[in-house]
Amino acid sequence: GAGVSQSPSNKVTEKGKDVELRCDPISGHTALYWYRQSLGQGLEFLIYFQGNSAPDKSGLPSDRFSAERTGGSVSTLTIQRTQQEDSAVYLCASSFRYRVGGLRSTDTQYFGPGTRLTVL
Amino acid sequence: RKEVEQDPGPFNVPEGATVAFNCTYSNSASQSFFWYRQDCRKEPKLLMSVYSSGNEDGRFTAQLNRASQYISLLIRDSKLSDSATYLCVVDTGRRALTFGSGTRLQVQP
Repeated sequence: GAGVSQSPSNKVTEKGKDVELRCDPISGHTALYWYRQSLGQGLEFLIYFQGNSAPDKSGLPSDRFSAERTGGSVSTLTIQRTQQEDSAVYLCASSFRYRVGGLRSTDTQYFGPGTRLTVL
Repeated sequence: RKEVEQDPGPFNVPEGATVAFNCTYSNSASQSFFWYRQDCRKEPKLLMSVYSSGNEDGRFTAQLNRASQYISLLIRDSKLSDSATYLCVVDTGRRALTFGSGTRLQVQP
C-alpha cells in the first residue's frame, strides 16, 4: 500500500520568502508528526497532530513556523520569511496511535522521504 | 543533558564482526523503546521494537535495562548492507517519539 508521501522533494528558496511543505500520511493513521534534520544531526521534533486534539506545537523553533492538518489527513508546514538556518530536511511521519482508557498504544512511526529545503 | 544519548561513532568493523551499540535515556517514565535505521540521505525506518524481556530478529538482538535506563542493539555477522546510522528512540508517553542523534556504523569488506 501507499506510504507517507511528501512534496516537494527538494525546495530551493531565497532568504525572506515563504515556503509550504506538504505531507500525505498513510490512510487511516491518526497521528502525524513533523521533524527536521540538519546535515549530520539527529531528528528535531517540530509539531504533532493527534486526531481532533489541539496540536502539540512545543517543538516549533519560532513563530515563523506553523502547520495545519486539514480533515484529519493532509498536513502543510509553512515557514514564513525563511532564514538560512532553516535549511534542513523536513520529515513527516504518521502512526496509528490511539488511547483506550488510561492506556496509549505503542507508537510506530512511518516516515516520508522528506523535503530537502535550501535557503540561499 | 539530552533525553536520549548515543555514541555518534563511527563504528568501523569488518564484515562478519559482531558489533554492539548502547543508548541511555533520562526519563524513567519512558514506556516504549525502538531502534530505527537511517541510510544516508534517506528517511528513518523501524528496525525493531525493544521489549523488557529482550528480543531477537535474525542477526539483531535488542535489550532493555530499565534499572540502568539503557538500551542496546547487537548485530552479529555484520554485512556490508548493515552500514547505516542506527537511531535509538524512546516513547515517554508525552508526545512524539524522542530520537537519539544516532550511531553510525560502517561495515568494511
